[in-house]
Amino acid sequence: DAKTTQPTSMDCAEGRAANLPCNHSTISGNEYVYWYRQIHSQGPQYIIHGLKNNETNEMASLIITEDRKSSTLILPHATLRDTAVYYCIVRVGVGNTPLVFGKGTRLSVIA
Amino acid sequence: KAGVTQTPRYLIKTRGQQVTLSCSPISGHRSVSWYQQTPGQGLQFLFEYFSETQRNKGNFPGRFSGRQFSNSRSEMNVSTLELGDSALYLCASSSAALRARNTEAFFGQGTRLTVV
Repeated sequence: DAKTTQPTSMDCAEGRAANLPCNHSTISGNEYVYWYRQIHSQGPQYIIHGLKNNETNEMASLIITEDRKSSTLILPHATLRDTAVYYCIVRVGVGNTPLVFGKGTRLSVIA
Repeated sequence: KAGVTQTPRYLIKTRGQQVTLSCSPISGHRSVSWYQQTPGQGLQFLFEYFSETQRNKGNFPGRFSGRQFSNSRSEMNVSTLELGDSALYLCASSSAALRARNTEAFFGQGTRLTVV
């Protein structure tokens, strides 16, 4: 079973920041937080991952709380092409363990 | 560089038949994982191969099997197809070696299998 809890759906206005929360209250010290997204009828796409420090790349920022029990994925300027299902996944840092997908959050970016 | 390639993209089979799906990973990636996606169950892990050896296995019946070749290409096979096997089958490749730090997985577009 997935070890994360995410809202079922969210809306965001185009051009605004999209903030997607994820709860992972049972995360262990050696587990990372990964984010993937799946645009309709495509394979999931890797976005970002982190352990305890905040991370940023060209796609998004990941903010992890100090106690690591929750995190927020931030898309700074959402576009219509960011409409997708976003998955937050907790995963051990080594050993290539499988990705365990939950239901994710369906983000709708509205013009 | 080229991404993960899955063939065929679409497939229609009859109950009781068997099917083989193919996945070519990103060049240099030695790990290939397979996932099944259905509206009811979501994305579920089937199995993972690394250097021709099955390294992880999900909770699927023995009708689902796979293999990996020396060039890292992988195939999955489903025998005695059931209506419930209709799904999007996704393949992901990564460079993660055993006991190495995990890296991101790159997914293909998937093969949509319809069993009638």
